[in-house]
Amino acid sequence: GENVEQHPSTLSVQEGDSAVIKCTYSDSASNYFPWYKQELGKGPQLIIDIRSNVGEKKDQRIAVTLNKTAKHFSLHITETQPEDSAVYFCAASIWHNFNKFYFGSGTKLNVKP
Amino acid sequence: KAGVTQTPRYLIKTRGQQVTLSCSPISGHRSVSWYQQTPGQGLQFLFEYFSETQRNKGNFPGRFSGRQFSNSRSEMNVSTLELGDSALYLCASSLAGSLRDQYFGPGTRLLVL
Repeated sequence: GENVEQHPSTLSVQEGDSAVIKCTYSDSASNYFPWYKQELGKGPQLIIDIRSNVGEKKDQRIAVTLNKTAKHFSLHITETQPEDSAVYFCAASIWHNFNKFYFGSGTKLNVKP
Repeated sequence: KAGVTQTPRYLIKTRGQQVTLSCSPISGHRSVSWYQQTPGQGLQFLFEYFSETQRNKGNFPGRFSGRQFSNSRSEMNVSTLELGDSALYLCASSLAGSLRDQYFGPGTRLLVL
């Protein structure tokens, strides 16, 4: 099955700096790559996603890039704020296929004021 | 509108017992999916229900089962609990089973002693 690896496991940045989280996947059939933010005591929340026919997607301070050839994708957060502190998960799946939906191990991001 | 609710939020059981967890989806959502989140294995898909039918099932033993009622509420049951079943169990709902449009509840934290 799919293997999604996520790095780093923890990331500490100063407020205003950028943060980058990287994921790799193994199944070339995967074509949908969402990113989730999970705050303490809450369930994951989708923050941005990308499909395999797109190389980059941006939403305000958040961007995701995808390299299909290398099978890796990354989350970029610019101008980080303390409220960005949370655990971030990447995931890889075949579009709408729950049975092929796999998560990375998570990155705990700490933004220091 | 109200989000996904899960009850109970916390639960302590002993090995060998069984447990039932409940999930109420967002009004109008017909798909409910369940996930297990542990520090060791991360987030893993359990199963997905749509209109009272299990459509997808992850790689978990038969001790894990679920059902969905006509009002879309769902329950998850774990029989013969093992220590390794200690986890945060998350449910998510979506209108029709889209990975992209699912909203997660806050989870039920189960501790097996």
